[in-house]
Amino acid sequence: EVQLVESGGGFVQPGGSLRLTCVASGFTFSRYEMNWVRQAPGKGLEWVAFTSTGGYPTYYADSVRGRFTISRDDAENSLFLQMDSLSVEDTAVYFCARDTFRAAADYWGQGTLVTVSS
Amino acid sequence: QSALTQPASVSASPGQSITISCTGTSYDVGNSWNYVSWYQQHPGKAPKLLISEVNQRASGVSLRFSGSKSGNTASLTISGLQTGDEADYYCCSYGHHDWVFGGGTKVTVL
Repeated sequence: EVQLVESGGGFVQPGGSLRLTCVASGFTFSRYEMNWVRQAPGKGLEWVAFTSTGGYPTYYADSVRGRFTISRDDAENSLFLQMDSLSVEDTAVYFCARDTFRAAADYWGQGTLVTVSS
Repeated sequence: QSALTQPASVSASPGQSITISCTGTSYDVGNSWNYVSWYQQHPGKAPKLLISEVNQRASGVSLRFSGSKSGNTASLTISGLQTGDEADYYCCSYGHHDWVFGGGTKVTVL
């Protein structure tokens, strides 16, 4: 059974940093491209970042480019999102999602909540 | 990366059909790649892939869900509406190395 489990969310002050982790199981993680997608409270979905197999190339939404870094450790079946210079606008549930092809993600984690507030 | 335009809400009675539109630009929905997906999201849950590449149903998805595209507008049709279809629906298009989501449509089954 395919499973994606996110962790690392929490409360952080503006300007702070947080690192999210997504642990995958039930499939060969190294063969799949992966994404992070977020959803602010009561709002819609927003794509955040993408990593290809092997960790390169990576792509980012304009809203996070230069502040967030997506990476992966295939040996640990893990996907990461390093988030720096956080602002209140980054408050959201962050989902990791397995990419099938071009904006199609067939498996999603349950999400982890990031709250940025002073 | 402007969001795609979806109606905020659509409602219908059980058994009826509804169509949700998703309007973008030639950069995303209207490009020649046909990379438009649709997701269903129930409250408090993760999104579920329904449709990829405009009209390809994901594994296990009911035949009642179908997708299409004309120009810069993609559409999701749900036929034989059921109470379990009450959820938020999001379209998503692949642009240039990015994804662009619609604002979401709340479907209410009367």
